[in-house]
Amino acid sequence: GAVVSQHPSWVICKSGTSVKIECRSLDFQATTMFWYRQFPKQSLMLMATSNEGSKATYEQGVEKDKFLINHASLTLSTLTVTSAHPEDSSFYICSAMGLAGFSYEQYFGPGTRLTVT
Amino acid sequence: EDQVTQSPEALRLQEGESSSLNCSYTVSGLRGLFWYRQDPGKGPEFLFTLYSAGEEKEKERLKATLTKKESFLHITAPKPEDSATYLCAVQVPAGGTSYGKLTFGQGTILTVHP
Repeated sequence: GAVVSQHPSWVICKSGTSVKIECRSLDFQATTMFWYRQFPKQSLMLMATSNEGSKATYEQGVEKDKFLINHASLTLSTLTVTSAHPEDSSFYICSAMGLAGFSYEQYFGPGTRLTVT
Repeated sequence: EDQVTQSPEALRLQEGESSSLNCSYTVSGLRGLFWYRQDPGKGPEFLFTLYSAGEEKEKERLKATLTKKESFLHITAPKPEDSATYLCAVQVPAGGTSYGKLTFGQGTILTVHP
């Protein structure tokens, strides 16, 4: 299957600082990438949809000024958590949509564990 | 509003004891239904995509089926390494920047005892 990487895999930062998470599709071009967050023992909640070369579309309730998304190329999207606070601590997962045969499949990265102290 | 409900929330099986997981959905229109496996602390691993009622797909001990209202993930003779959280998600037709958006169920935590 297609491979999606995330970096870093875990990060600890102090309250008030910003953190950038990278998501890369390694062996395919992804015109669309998605960012999710997952709290312990809960399912994935979509934060935003990122299309290459255009502004991200945020889900209701997600602060676009706090979670900055950039999709500068067909293989890279970044999520920057600005002025992070402890309540932003979570597991952040990206996915990339790529063509598999005649349909588009969605492949997930390994996730990034963010802890804000 | 699109809704996805998975049952049971947790399932404990003995090794070799076959069973099924259920995913019920209510959507305005289904483009695809996805099954993923997620291990603790990791991202979801793609298993299957089903597109139309009556479709079935198999992979090793797993078989996914789809009807107009629900999908089943059948696990035949499971092994301890099949222990994980199994997630289903639906994708609805949408245009513009919403293309490909998935709505996830809460997942079923499967534990297989040796």
